Amino acid sequence: AQSVAQPEDQVNVAEGNPLTVKCTYSVSGNPYLFWYVQYPNRGLQFLLKYITGDNLVKGSYGFEAEFNKSQTSFHLKKPSALVSDSALYFCAVRDNNNNDMRFGAGTRLTVKP
Amino acid sequence: ETGVTQTPRHLVMGMTNKKSLKCEQHLGHNAMYWYKQSAKKPLELMFVYNFKEQTENNSVPSRFSPECPNSSHLFLHLHTLQPEDSALYLCASSQGASGGRVFTTETQYFGPGTRLLVL
Repeated sequence: AQSVAQPEDQVNVAEGNPLTVKCTYSVSGNPYLFWYVQYPNRGLQFLLKYITGDNLVKGSYGFEAEFNKSQTSFHLKKPSALVSDSALYFCAVRDNNNNDMRFGAGTRLTVKP
Repeated sequence: ETGVTQTPRHLVMGMTNKKSLKCEQHLGHNAMYWYKQSAKKPLELMFVYNFKEQTENNSVPSRFSPECPNSSHLFLHLHTLQPEDSALYLCASSQGASGGRVFTTETQYFGPGTRLLVL
């Protein structure tokens, strides 16, 4: 079965600095990778996904992620963080063999002014 | 908003109660999902429905009973829950696929969740 790991519970960055939220995955087939964000008292909002093609995926709110097959990683990045980016970020993976979806435990991003 | 609504937003129930969570999507989707979000744990996929047929049941205890009467509505019936079932229950939907095809590349759209407390 597929699995995903987010090695950092918490990431703190200063506003205006670049941010990275890490994600690694394990699947038996081809990976389909997703990033979601959750603001307080809200459901998850889709940011971006990798299905196939270009390894660099651009998504909502200026976020992007790079698929690295050799390192089995899909780290989320943003060149310049905003205070409003502070939220809980989830990486998720599916493979092409079933409809199961596995999420990471989440990383809390705090951007300080 | 994402087009997925959930009611109630908050629910407190005793272990002997019976209650139901409701999810409705206004996106024209055909696949719907229930997730459980507990503190400091990954989201757990509970059930998947595609075109009203259940396609996934991830070893969920029978005290949780899903119902999907049509592609727009999804219920989670709760009966004799335990305190450890207290969590945020999230509903999601996606386009879905007919003919038994998997739909693993689809983006899921989530509702705001129901915060459940079992006393």
